[in-house]
Amino acid sequence: AQSVTQPDIHITVSEGASLELRCNYSYGATPYLFWYVQSPGQGLQLLLKYFSGDTLVQGIKGFEAEFKRSQSSFNLRKPSVHWSDAAEYFCAVGVNNNDMRFGAGTRLTVKP
Amino acid sequence: DTEVTQTPKHLVMGMTNKKSLKCEQHMGHRAMYWYKQKAKKPPELMFVYSYEKLSINESVPSRFSPECPNSSLLNLHLHALQPEDSALYLCASAPGVGLSEQYFGPGTRLTVT
Repeated sequence: AQSVTQPDIHITVSEGASLELRCNYSYGATPYLFWYVQSPGQGLQLLLKYFSGDTLVQGIKGFEAEFKRSQSSFNLRKPSVHWSDAAEYFCAVGVNNNDMRFGAGTRLTVKP
Repeated sequence: DTEVTQTPKHLVMGMTNKKSLKCEQHMGHRAMYWYKQKAKKPPELMFVYSYEKLSINESVPSRFSPECPNSSLLNLHLHALQPEDSALYLCASAPGVGLSEQYFGPGTRLTVT
């Protein structure tokens, strides 16, 4: 069955430090992969997506992600974290038409 | 307009009440979704409408009743809810042709007393 795993429940980084959030997927075919961010009590905002082509994907707010088929991973990165990046981050895989499965989420705390 | 709107933002209802949540998008999307999200958990899919027809119902109790009056509107009718139904209810839309990203509304925070 299709699934998404985010191994890290909570990550704390200092402001200005680099960030990498991990995501592993299980899916038979080429997956459609997404990263969303959610601030407390808010909806989800799409950061970036991968459908095909270049495996390094650029998103909004300075985020990027790299699709690695050999590792079944789609990790999210940012070179320098800002205090406003503190939020919950969800990796998701698109399965079949009109369906999406989310990982459990990683909560990011940013230290001053 | 790339926005999905949801009303109300907050809703408190008793277990015998009937209420409705509303969702609207004007992006011409043909797929619309209802999700339920409990605190510190990912969104759980409840219903999917594709071209105004219910295409997925994830075994949701009948006290939740979705309705899609037209391609821009999605309602969720609530009746005889339980306290455990308290959650953030998120609406999303997608173009509806094959797999694509979903655009989410801000959600309705529902409290059942």
